[in-house]
Amino acid sequence: RKEVEQDPGPFNVPEGATVAFNCTYSNSASQSFFWYRQDCRKEPKLLMSVYSSGNEDGRFTAQLNRASQYISLLIRDSKLSDSATYLCVVFKAAGNKLTFGGGTRVLVKP
Amino acid sequence: EAGVTQFPSHSVIEKGQTVTLRCDPISGHDNLYWYRRVMGKEIKFLLHFVKESKQDESGMPNNRFLAERTGGTYSTLKVQPAELEDSGVYFCASSHPTGNTEAFFGQGTRLTVV
Repeated sequence: RKEVEQDPGPFNVPEGATVAFNCTYSNSASQSFFWYRQDCRKEPKLLMSVYSSGNEDGRFTAQLNRASQYISLLIRDSKLSDSATYLCVVFKAAGNKLTFGGGTRVLVKP
Repeated sequence: EAGVTQFPSHSVIEKGQTVTLRCDPISGHDNLYWYRRVMGKEIKFLLHFVKESKQDESGMPNNRFLAERTGGTYSTLKVQPAELEDSGVYFCASSHPTGNTEAFFGQGTRLTVV
């Protein structure tokens, strides 16, 4: 089983709609969680950190469920510019290691 | 503040040749990571430095890959001899010494082995 798993998609989303997807992690010792965004042929960039209480940044909401070992990302009022691959990243303090999921591709269409 | 920089941005080499990739992390970032994305696959961890020490090199594919970080500043990743399956985008990332914070990525080096 992969350490961090994501549905690869693509999620085809009408402009203005809401889309949500999850990421599961296998190591219960995982400490911190992040969502990164990667545009085609570009480097990953931090979208948001994920906190235990859940957090929101504009149209983006991230949630963490430690009991079930998954994190989620919800995008409201999708824009064409939200089309990208969203990478789940898990940090484990032991070894200071960042592990990436395979990414979820989102395509927002007019 | 300068970000993570990688050089070269693109490299096309023949099978059997040697290539050296360079990464300059953000100043003060002790953690430096190398990752690779092969076409159509996920980003895979290669190795992790803390300062000049290799903390974890479990992701290095084989002994044709050699990474160094002399002096704990910039890092190099050498592939010798290169094979066709080494083609992909090699990303470097760095993070603050505590580690439990955002990692910043370089723009990547796109390596094509022909």
